[in-house]
Amino acid sequence: AAGVIQSPRHLIKEKRETATLKCYPIPRHDTVYWYQQGPGQDPQFLISFYEKMQSDKGSIPDRFSAQQFSDYHSELNMSSLELGDSALYFCASSRTGSEGNTIYFGEGSWLTVV
Amino acid sequence: AQKVTQAQTEISVVEKEDVTLDCVYETRDTTYYLFWYKQPPSGELVFLIRRNSFDEQNEISGRYSWNFQKSTSSFNFTITASQVVDSAVYFCALSEAGSGGYQKVTFGTGTKLQVIP
Repeated sequence: AAGVIQSPRHLIKEKRETATLKCYPIPRHDTVYWYQQGPGQDPQFLISFYEKMQSDKGSIPDRFSAQQFSDYHSELNMSSLELGDSALYFCASSRTGSEGNTIYFGEGSWLTVV
Repeated sequence: AQKVTQAQTEISVVEKEDVTLDCVYETRDTTYYLFWYKQPPSGELVFLIRRNSFDEQNEISGRYSWNFQKSTSSFNFTITASQVVDSAVYFCALSEAGSGGYQKVTFGTGTKLQVIP
């Protein structure tokens, strides 16, 4: 079965650079989530989109932005990168009213800022 | 506001021992979902189980079992006859309905399980 696809899987950037992460949700899923997980921490919610509209916002820095496109894929844009942005970034998707609203995660994108 | 508490930060057991991971949640909603996810050292988050708030039946899947008790707001996870491959961080999560139909998901802080051969 198709899963959530994230790219790239690994990314190394220098401070003050910009990075873009991409996410392709499971087909027919209407909600996309972005989470950030620092070393030894639990996943922290950044932002979500429901039917291509931003539905909720968590602890996402102003330097970050995200959007969901007409084909439901989503991108997380991170600018002016800081060392503290080094983390594992998860995209997840779910379909409201289906499978108990289970949220399925991608394999994550490892971002290292040097 | 929703909250998930996993009081056990780290647990070490010897292979073949049984181990229970605790999860306590807080929510004002009457309809919600509870989940357990496994995060092995490779980093991915693997979905294990979900429970909706109206289904308090315990579930067993192989060596895994889950005990959901609304009276104590707990959703505990037991691994029977643990194996080294069970070593991972386990997250409990709570999902409530947000406005507009989407869900708000809150994770616990995770319990790191180490199974020693």
